[in-house]
Amino acid sequence: KAGVTQTPRYLIKTRGQQVTLSCSPISGHRSVSWYQQTPGQGLQFLFEYFSETQRNKGNFPGRFSGRQFSNSRSEMNVSTLELGDSALYLCASSLVPGRDVEQYFGPGTRLTVT
Amino acid sequence: GESVGLHLPTLSVQEGDNSIINCAYSNSASDYFIWYKQESGKGPQFIIDIRSNMDKRQGQRVTVLLNKTVKHLSLQIAATQPGDSAVYFCAENIGGFQKLVFGTGTRLLVSP
Repeated sequence: KAGVTQTPRYLIKTRGQQVTLSCSPISGHRSVSWYQQTPGQGLQFLFEYFSETQRNKGNFPGRFSGRQFSNSRSEMNVSTLELGDSALYLCASSLVPGRDVEQYFGPGTRLTVT
Repeated sequence: GESVGLHLPTLSVQEGDNSIINCAYSNSASDYFIWYKQESGKGPQFIIDIRSNMDKRQGQRVTVLLNKTVKHLSLQIAATQPGDSAVYFCAENIGGFQKLVFGTGTRLLVSP
């Protein structure tokens, strides 16, 4: 079974631009979460989606948004990019939402903002 | 490519040694804990989990210990191998949702 797929793997954007990242969960998985990983802040939770609904959101500004489609694929968008948004963005999927349900992570999208 | 910070605590061991990686958590309401392994250029990979009603759980070559009194987790890796070299994170789950709160990570270096 294919793992979590994230596209693109690498991205370079300029400050002020916007970016959309994509995540395809493992087949049959219906819950998707997003995390940001930076050297300074480590791994931080962004959002969680299930059945096209955002169930939970981390402490990030409104420039960070996301959505989930009916096929469980998810996208996240960052508008008005700042230098500090440079990070590895990780997507994780699980069969269903739940605190003790194993989450499978994708390889991430490395975003560099210049 | 690198995926974690440059100033992580580092544990260096020899192949065949047992490794112990420690983690402190802050929220006494946390009731589910997971250890992840992250290799360079990859996302975190699940190793083992433990619920708060347990003190110890064993997997293949790994054991997780939970001390709720002092809010401390440890991951023990038996007979450490070069392939175990990675950054290890503990994560806690709070509130019944899927949000995970990750620790800062420990880099494990295994020398042949």
